[in-house]
Amino acid sequence: AQSVTQLGSHVSVSEGALVLLRCNYSSSVPPYLFWYVQYPNQGLQLLLKYTSAATLVKGINGFEAEFKKSETSFHLTKPSAHMSDAAEYFCAVSDQGHGQNFVFGPGTRLSVLP
Amino acid sequence: EPEVTQTPSHQVTQMGQEVILRCVPISNHLYFYWYRQILGQKVEFLVSFYNNEISEKSEIFDDQFSVERPDGSNFTLKIRSTKLEDSAMYFCASRGTGVSEKLFFGSGTQLSVL
Repeated sequence: AQSVTQLGSHVSVSEGALVLLRCNYSSSVPPYLFWYVQYPNQGLQLLLKYTSAATLVKGINGFEAEFKKSETSFHLTKPSAHMSDAAEYFCAVSDQGHGQNFVFGPGTRLSVLP
Repeated sequence: EPEVTQTPSHQVTQMGQEVILRCVPISNHLYFYWYRQILGQKVEFLVSFYNNEISEKSEIFDDQFSVERPDGSNFTLKIRSTKLEDSAMYFCASRGTGVSEKLFFGSGTQLSVL
């Protein structure tokens, strides 16, 4: 069975500061990993995904994440936070099976302070 | 970018009533999913659907729930007799045939059971 943990249900950063959102996963098979963002009153949008190619993955809006197998982590970073980054961020893992489902972490709410 | 569309955006119903939530997945996608998100909680997997049958379902997806693909474009979630605890945002998602493909999410249907 797969699972995802996200350390910190709420993270606050100042505008222009580094954003670091943590994600650790558990999977019995090589995983595919995803970060989704949910803006208020909206659905889930994909930020980036890891699918066993490059371990450093670049996504939209300046976000990137690094897959570290030894640490079972897939932390999301952005060098400089913008006010528009305030949202809920979900890490998700899926297996490589045919009828795969995605298991989501509990989410981290990012607040960006002026 | 192609979109998954969900209707209605907000559904209010009385406890014990049946509701049908509708989704139009992306046209060439073959895998379909329903997730839900209770206010303030994580995104939870309900069911996945492929080749006109359920491929996987969670413990949440009990006998009160059913899914159907009545025609070539729609994918529906039916709750037979709604309970107060069914109040949540319900997200439909679809993906293509590649195992590493991302999920495309709809903007959700907010179900309020009174």
